[in-house]
Amino acid sequence: AQKVTQAQTEISVVEKEDVTLDCVYETRDTTYYLFWYKQPPSGELVFLIRRNSFDEQNEISGRYSWNFQKSTSSFNFTITASQVVDSAVYFCALSEKLELTGGGNKLTFGTGTQLKVEL
Amino acid sequence: ETGVTQTPRHLVMGMTNKKSLKCEQHLGHNAMYWYKQSAKKPLELMFVYNFKEQTENNSVPSRFSPECPNSSHLFLHLHTLQPEDSALYLCASSQVRVGGNSYEQYFGPGTRLTVT
Repeated sequence: AQKVTQAQTEISVVEKEDVTLDCVYETRDTTYYLFWYKQPPSGELVFLIRRNSFDEQNEISGRYSWNFQKSTSSFNFTITASQVVDSAVYFCALSEKLELTGGGNKLTFGTGTQLKVEL
Repeated sequence: ETGVTQTPRHLVMGMTNKKSLKCEQHLGHNAMYWYKQSAKKPLELMFVYNFKEQTENNSVPSRFSPECPNSSHLFLHLHTLQPEDSALYLCASSQVRVGGNSYEQYFGPGTRLTVT
């Protein structure tokens, strides 16, 4: 069975600090996808990034960067120079291909990390 | 409108009521999903529809009944719910590609359901 662990329940930082959100996953699939989503207080999950299991290149997008380490089954997310608007719950997720009719992907989510950025 | 929309945003219902949640996606996707998000728990996948066919029912009680009349609309019919069903219900959509792989799911804002 697939599993995603986000050990950090809540993190508080002061604005402009860097912060790293940890994600560790378990899967028996050889091909899989990892995702990060942001859930602001409004409730909507916002897609941030997708990474497939073949691509271990780290990615940077503005203040966001992701570190995928297949050897340790981790997919960590770093926010550089955090801002108050970054305050949200962040979810890491792992996809599992649905075999029934070959359609859709089942996402297994971690429990999320609540990030609070204060002035 | 763009993206994934859900109505109503908030719903309070008694245990004997019947209500429906509606989801509409404007992304041209062919797969739609219902998730339940309860406090202190991971998001739980409830149902998956691919090309209007239900491909996953994640052991959801029969008091939740999904309906997918076309690839753009998804409903969740509710009847005789329990207080523990109070949660945020999220709809999502994605594009399923050749070989059955689909990529990121795009979520709606959710319906906050309270069962009294």
